[in-house]
Amino acid sequence: SQTIHQWPATLVQPVGSPLSLECTVEGTSNPNLYWYRQAAGRGLQLLFYSVGIGQISSEVPQNLSASRPQDRQFILSSKKLLLSDSGFYLCAWSTETLAGRPYEQYFGPGTRLTVT
Amino acid sequence: AQRVTQPEKLLSVFKGAPVELKCNYSYSGSPELFWYVQYSRQRLQLLLRHISRESIKGFTADLNKGETSFHLKKPFAQEEDSAMYYCALRTGRRALTFGSGTRLQVQP
Repeated sequence: SQTIHQWPATLVQPVGSPLSLECTVEGTSNPNLYWYRQAAGRGLQLLFYSVGIGQISSEVPQNLSASRPQDRQFILSSKKLLLSDSGFYLCAWSTETLAGRPYEQYFGPGTRLTVT
Repeated sequence: AQRVTQPEKLLSVFKGAPVELKCNYSYSGSPELFWYVQYSRQRLQLLLRHISRESIKGFTADLNKGETSFHLKKPFAQEEDSAMYYCALRTGRRALTFGSGTRLQVQP
């Protein structure tokens, strides 16, 4: 069966420090991968998505970047964190249509980032 | 641009009462709509999708293109339905656009 992992689960970082959040998927190949952010009191905002190794699409201009060095690995990074980067970060994966059914996105447990 | 609106941040009902979680969308093309749910201390997961016309845990949702709505309904709420509910729209891209979510509280 497929599983998705994220780490760390929680992170407290000072303003100006770098960031690296990792997401890995098991049990599937060539998934679409996504990074979402959930700010307090707000919905899920898509940050990046990737349809293959080295292929990253950015949805909103921001202080963050993403990379996909391997098929089932997705990394969210920042060189210098801002206070506004605080939030709950979710990684998700999906496949294309399965047997004619619309695809579904599967979410990881999330990382809570607090920038102080 | 596509947008999903969930006007209620919190919906509180008593056990056995009907529930309707509102969702309106804005999209010029042919939409695919989903409801995701997050129970306490669990991951966000798919509840149902409009194209399947299914009933999951007693919940149904009908796509109304005229009103651009996809409201989630259940005739008799249960305490275990308490959770955060997100409406989501898939457009021509692969990713989803989520609403801001509605917290459903079912009181005994």
